[in-house]
Amino acid sequence: NAGVTQTPKFQVLKTGQSMTLQCAQDMNHEYMSWYRQDPGMGLRLIHYSVGAGITDQGEVPNGYNVSRSTTEDFPLRLLSAAPSQTSVYFCASSSVRSGANVLTFGAGSRLTVL
Amino acid sequence: AQTVTQSQPEMSVQEAETVTLSCTYDTSENNYYLFWYKQPPSRQMILVIRQEAYKQQNATENRFSVNFQKAAKSFSLKISDSQLGDTAMYFCAFMSQAGKSTFGDGTTLTVKP
Repeated sequence: NAGVTQTPKFQVLKTGQSMTLQCAQDMNHEYMSWYRQDPGMGLRLIHYSVGAGITDQGEVPNGYNVSRSTTEDFPLRLLSAAPSQTSVYFCASSSVRSGANVLTFGAGSRLTVL
Repeated sequence: AQTVTQSQPEMSVQEAETVTLSCTYDTSENNYYLFWYKQPPSRQMILVIRQEAYKQQNATENRFSVNFQKAAKSFSLKISDSQLGDTAMYFCAFMSQAGKSTFGDGTTLTVKP
């Protein structure tokens, strides 16, 4: 099925560990983004990309790295996990070219940092 | 930078009745997109309705409609004939022409039988 695939769905880390959240889309969308959702709050933009080789910071980029080597993939890296990064993470993609501009979301990844 | 404000953290409505969720935003852009997304307990983000800022006509999708007031920067969602399955968190979102999105903090809607 076409859409956005995020892995893993759940992850528990210890403070200081590193990990990568994977995100892949098969809709040829040029725009991809990562959000975090803390309890009772909306989604806050971490990083985004408007195409392969192009990334930029969102509202809350500190502690996270991204890269976009292909149109399909947009991994999010936590270099040294901290308890403040405990959250639910969403990857999303959209196509500005098509004019639809609707975000298609992955199912989310729940990350707990102890 | 754009901001999106949802002033109602929680709302409730009786089944079959109508409810309106409020959203205001701030931007200096002229062309943009506005959305309402629904997030049920499964936490999947589901598109409810979409509005292009250059269109004066309010968007409708079955029981869902919006009241888009561009000058006032207001974008409210009306749900008619509320159903138990409408119980969820609703997020108002702004998207710039470049595709960058900003979300409000959400309104938790409970539909009571």
